Amino acid sequence: QKEVEQNSGPLSVPEGAIASLNCTYSDRGSQSFFWYRQYSGKSPELIMFIYSNGDKEDGRFTAQLNKASQYVSLLIRDSQPSDSATYLCASQTGGFKTIFGAGTRLFVKA
Amino acid sequence: DGGITQSPKYLFRKEGQNVTLSCEQNLNHDAMYWYRQDPGQGLRLIYYSQIVNDFQKGDIAEGYSVSREKKESFPLTVTSAQKNPTAFYLCASSPRGVAGGRNEQFFGPGTRLTVL
Repeated sequence: QKEVEQNSGPLSVPEGAIASLNCTYSDRGSQSFFWYRQYSGKSPELIMFIYSNGDKEDGRFTAQLNKASQYVSLLIRDSQPSDSATYLCASQTGGFKTIFGAGTRLFVKA
Repeated sequence: DGGITQSPKYLFRKEGQNVTLSCEQNLNHDAMYWYRQDPGQGLRLIYYSQIVNDFQKGDIAEGYSVSREKKESFPLTVTSAQKNPTAFYLCASSPRGVAGGRNEQFFGPGTRLTVL
């Protein structure tokens, strides 16, 4: 069974701090990796996509991928209360089938 | 205004009844998916379809059925054989995927099904 593992949290950080979310995956054939944000009762929305080893930055968000360690992370700089949500890590193989982790709940305290 | 719509938003069902959840997209996407989400859990794939008139079972297909007669539509039927159907159901779509590419899935707003 191919899996994506995340710490369920909750992860609590003060406003303005860096939030660090981590994810590991079991399928070495995974090629693309995604971070989705899901607010309570809402559907997921994509915030970051990465497929190469290293870092990818987009505004306050940085995704990091280490294929040798099968590890993906998401850093959120200058965390805001509006960042409070569940963050889902996902891996994809062959451009199609996506496996989602259970998500990490993040709370940003004002 | 492009997007994915799901209806109804909330659905109540009595035990033993079949119900059908609607999913429509006007994004011209080839692939469509149905996921189930239970509290504190991630998304579990029920069924997916890459082209019209073709679909495959996901990880938890038992008790569910789908059809893909039109590119825009992918309805999900929750049958009475599904033992624990109370959950949040999400429909998604994506363009034809490329390995290693940004094959993002776009999600509808979801249907919350409760069995009474």
